[in-house]
Amino acid sequence: NAGVTQTPKFRVLKTGQSMTLLCAQDMNHEYMYWYRQDPGMGLRLIHYSVGEGTTAKGEVPDGYNVSRLKKQNFLLGLESAAPSQTSVYFCASSFGNNSPLHFGNGTRLTVT
Amino acid sequence: EDKVVQSPLSLVVHEGDTVTLNCSYEVTNFRSLLWYKQEKKAPTFLFMLTSSGIEKKSGRLSSILDKKELFSILNITATQTGDSAVYLCAAFLGRANNLFFGTGTRLTVIP
Repeated sequence: NAGVTQTPKFRVLKTGQSMTLLCAQDMNHEYMYWYRQDPGMGLRLIHYSVGEGTTAKGEVPDGYNVSRLKKQNFLLGLESAAPSQTSVYFCASSFGNNSPLHFGNGTRLTVT
Repeated sequence: EDKVVQSPLSLVVHEGDTVTLNCSYEVTNFRSLLWYKQEKKAPTFLFMLTSSGIEKKSGRLSSILDKKELFSILNITATQTGDSAVYLCAAFLGRANNLFFGTGTRLTVIP
């Protein structure tokens, strides 16, 4: 069982570069999420989706865009990376509202 | 402002000890409280608590929620080195479908 798979695992970007983080889940979950985890800050919600073709802003959406073209995939884009976006990014999915989230193994992103 | 506060920030115990981890919350439209264990990578789900006073148990781990006093505890009995991890507490908010996390308690179990 793959669960939630994130690619890549690591990435280094220069300021101003763009990239897309990929998340795929094989549990037929309706809801998908992107969080970032920073030391001393806990996990913070960036964007989420309640179904194919829908997206919504979370707690810290600025500088990020997302797309959910297929139910099993949720993409997180950085159009112009900044050092403040250095973080570990986690994708998660759940059956629906108020259901436990299942997390991927994370992507460690460094922006220099 | 929504808050989830965990204590202690870190804890070092010997194998066989019993530990209690604390989580207090002040959030709007509270729905449920969840506990996760995070070792090196993905947080893994432990418990979801919705009702006050009902203990959830899984092996040596147990947890309970007090919705009147706005806190939860996670107990681990007979700790083992494999219990070493960061334990995360999170509250489900009614709005924005957000699982709002505390900063975690780092537990280290030494042989």
